Amino acid sequence: GAGVSQSPSNKVTEKGKDVELRCDPISGHTALYWYRQRLGQGLEFLIYFQGNSAPDKSGLPSDRFSAERTGESVSTLTIQRTQQEDSAVYLCASSFAGGPGNIQYFGAGTRLSVL
Amino acid sequence: DQQVKQNSPSLSVQEGRISILNCDYTNSMFDYFLWYKKYPAEGPTFLISISSIKDKNEDGRFTVFLNKSAKHLSLHIVPSQPGDSAVYFCAASAPRAGTASKLTFGTGTRLQVTL
Repeated sequence: GAGVSQSPSNKVTEKGKDVELRCDPISGHTALYWYRQRLGQGLEFLIYFQGNSAPDKSGLPSDRFSAERTGESVSTLTIQRTQQEDSAVYLCASSFAGGPGNIQYFGAGTRLSVL
Repeated sequence: DQQVKQNSPSLSVQEGRISILNCDYTNSMFDYFLWYKKYPAEGPTFLISISSIKDKNEDGRFTVFLNKSAKHLSLHIVPSQPGDSAVYFCAASAPRAGTASKLTFGTGTRLQVTL
């Protein structure tokens, strides 16, 4: 597809379970980002991948959160032992390269509900 | 600590009039600013940006103004159209601090353009 694709669009899970969220960036985009938006709040940066460089994990809220990216393609965000406060919309974005002049294009997000 | 603030959660404007959305920031290292627009069930889409070397950037009906001394920026939409009804997010990055690709978002302003 032409845009950033995220799956699933909705995920309901029980507290304590692990979840995996997937992001397919725009083809040719070397940079990929994960953000989280909790209800009534702005988007919160989680992690940034740029090519083969070490990812910037500075936004990950705890060691229950991890993300991987295969080359310059698909990324998965994994949340282990989910908690109710993890409930949010998780948004993925990609850009042609990193840096301020490179527009980030967002997917529609995965809405995660932890019961 | 909310480094990017959008103090008006909502705004209603009549079609054809000017919409002014405001954003304040606290981090003096921010020097690149963006506005994103978000429709329900979609990801944010880039609207317009401005670098701190400028105080104004214009693109069609959209103009962003930056007042560095006041740490304030605003988005003007004129004339406003019903299709502009969406949530608008202000975002900032700090390239000089080495975090060019990490966007910090405000909480958003919901704009409703009425007929």
